[in-house]
Amino acid sequence: DVKVTQSSRYLVKRTGEKVFLECVQDMDHENMFWYRQDPGLGLRLIYFSYDVKMKEKGDIPEGYSVSREKKERFSLILESASTNQTSMYLCASSFAGRGGLGAFFGQGTRLTVV
Amino acid sequence: AQSVTQLDSQVPVFEEAPVELRCNYSSSVSVYLFWYVQYPNQGLQLLLKYLSGSTLVKGINGFEAEFNKSQTSFHLRKPSVHISDTAEYFCAVSASGGSYIPTFGRGTSLIVHP
Repeated sequence: DVKVTQSSRYLVKRTGEKVFLECVQDMDHENMFWYRQDPGLGLRLIYFSYDVKMKEKGDIPEGYSVSREKKERFSLILESASTNQTSMYLCASSFAGRGGLGAFFGQGTRLTVV
Repeated sequence: AQSVTQLDSQVPVFEEAPVELRCNYSSSVSVYLFWYVQYPNQGLQLLLKYLSGSTLVKGINGFEAEFNKSQTSFHLRKPSVHISDTAEYFCAVSASGGSYIPTFGRGTSLIVHP
């Protein structure tokens, strides 16, 4: 089975802290994504990566950065956490040339910034 | 660019009744269409997909969806729902070429009452 693993299910951080959310996939997927999920707003794309060290901004990149040093790992970084970044964060991965297979998601990380 | 509109934010229904969750999309290119399901406190799972060919596609758990190109719709249906179908359902679209980045709707919360 495809597995996308997010390092934490729940996190509580203080305002101003630097926060790292980690995601690992075991399917050799080229594409990896970070989405933010908020009630009534659905999933909004923060960043995606189509190859190691390659990244593209999504719809809401402000306040976030990403890192992809290895193909299987994609990290989301909140440089200075703020309360408006309290949300559910979902990582996903997919094959670059086989979009018809869809994306595979991790279990999500519920981040609370206090 | 693509966009997805899920017309209902919440759909309440009684157990064993039929249900339809509506999804409309817009795109200037050919697309792949997906429905995902999210159970409470979990990530998203692929329910079904339309790539090409027959416009009626069947997925897991007895769900099916019909692609209607003229109406740019991809509505999800189930003839008889169960309590366990209570979940959030997301419609998604991606271009059938290029980077295959999925764009999601805002979600529909299906609430099945006994």
